Amino acid sequence: DAKTTQPNSMESNEEEPVHLPCNHSTISGTDYIHWYRQLPSQGPEYVIHGLTSNVNNRMASLAIAEDRKSSTLILHRATLRDAAVYYCILRDYNNNDMRFGAGTRLTVKP
Amino acid sequence: NAGVMQNPRHLVRRRGQEARLRCSPMKGHSHVYWYRQLPEEGLKFMVYLQKENIIDESGMPKERFSAEFPKEGPSILRIQQVVRGDSAAYFCASSQGWQQPQHFGDGTRLSIL
Repeated sequence: DAKTTQPNSMESNEEEPVHLPCNHSTISGTDYIHWYRQLPSQGPEYVIHGLTSNVNNRMASLAIAEDRKSSTLILHRATLRDAAVYYCILRDYNNNDMRFGAGTRLTVKP
Repeated sequence: NAGVMQNPRHLVRRRGQEARLRCSPMKGHSHVYWYRQLPEEGLKFMVYLQKENIIDESGMPKERFSAEFPKEGPSILRIQQVVRGDSAAYFCASSQGWQQPQHFGDGTRLSIL
């Protein structure tokens, strides 16, 4: 399985943008890039996903490098409720399961 | 709330007992996934099921663990003869189809005395 590398933790100030990086240098052509987040005592929550082009939705934006070996999840204005562990996951189109790594623990300071 | 429902939220068992964890997927979802999360760790995939079929059980321990998703009713994760190492949070997710985003329940926290 292709693996991802994320920083263990990041800090942000409230109402500022947050850029969460993810490296996936061994990504294959059939891997989609998915982002989920997990708030304390809750199950993971889908955030966004993409293949090659940058993606936007109401929660976040996903910027994918041209060579697809890295991506960045962008929260445009962090709020205290965005404090969570963020997981970057490669999901092979030929399989339907997901393999979670350790993720990035985001702390948002007021 | 039509989200993924898991019950019980908390389950306490003594060593050697059986644990049954239930998961009702979102309405219209026929794909169910089970994950296990140990304290301070990420989720580990266990099994992927569609109605009445196990599609991928590569993450399931070879013994004592089983899963089913019958034609009617919730999906069940069953752990026989539980041991202390089975203590964890067990999450269920469902999706509408192949490669669709997975929607997670809030988990069952299993504690083994």
